[in-house]
Amino acid sequence: NAGVTQTPKFQVLKTGQSMTLQCAQDMNHEYMSWYRQDPGMGLRLIHYSVGAGITDQGEVPNGYNVSRSTTEDFPLRLLSAAPSQTSVYFCASSYSVGVGYTFGSGTRLTVV
Amino acid sequence: GQQLNQSPQSMFIQEGEDVSMNCTSSSIFNTWLWYKQDPGEGPVLLIALYKAGELTSNGRLTAQFGITRKDSFLNISASIPSDVGIYFCAGRPGTNNDMRFGAGTRLTVKP
Repeated sequence: NAGVTQTPKFQVLKTGQSMTLQCAQDMNHEYMSWYRQDPGMGLRLIHYSVGAGITDQGEVPNGYNVSRSTTEDFPLRLLSAAPSQTSVYFCASSYSVGVGYTFGSGTRLTVV
Repeated sequence: GQQLNQSPQSMFIQEGEDVSMNCTSSSIFNTWLWYKQDPGEGPVLLIALYKAGELTSNGRLTAQFGITRKDSFLNISASIPSDVGIYFCAGRPGTNNDMRFGAGTRLTVKP
């Protein structure tokens, strides 16, 4: 099925561990973003990319790294997990600037 | 950064009633979008607005891009139980794809 695929769906990490959240889209979209969703705060932009090889920071980039080596993939890396990074993470993509994003179904991350 | 204020935070309505929610910004936005999120899922796009004053409908949903470019509203007419969920406004303040989201309106529809 076409769309945005996120893996894993659930993850528990210990403080200080590292991990990569995977995101892949098969719609040939140039624009991809990562958001985190916390109760009562809506979605906050972490990082975004306007094409392969180009990334930029959003509202809350600290503690996260991204890279975009292909159009299809946009992984999000947590280098040293902290409890404050407990959240639901959404990846999204769109084919053009300003057009609404298509979202993945999310990764629920708990850091203990 | 640009902050979106979405209201109300939550609504409890009877099936068949109309619903209105809005979003305001401290700065000008070039695009306004409205999304719905069901539990355990990612947000799904409902309506996209690209010009000040634009009024767009999608079935029972109607949204408008405010003339000042600092606000938008979403109306749902004749609500049904499947309208339950969280509704988010989102706006694009610049020319890039840096989309910002409101905190959401949680809608409950009582049969």
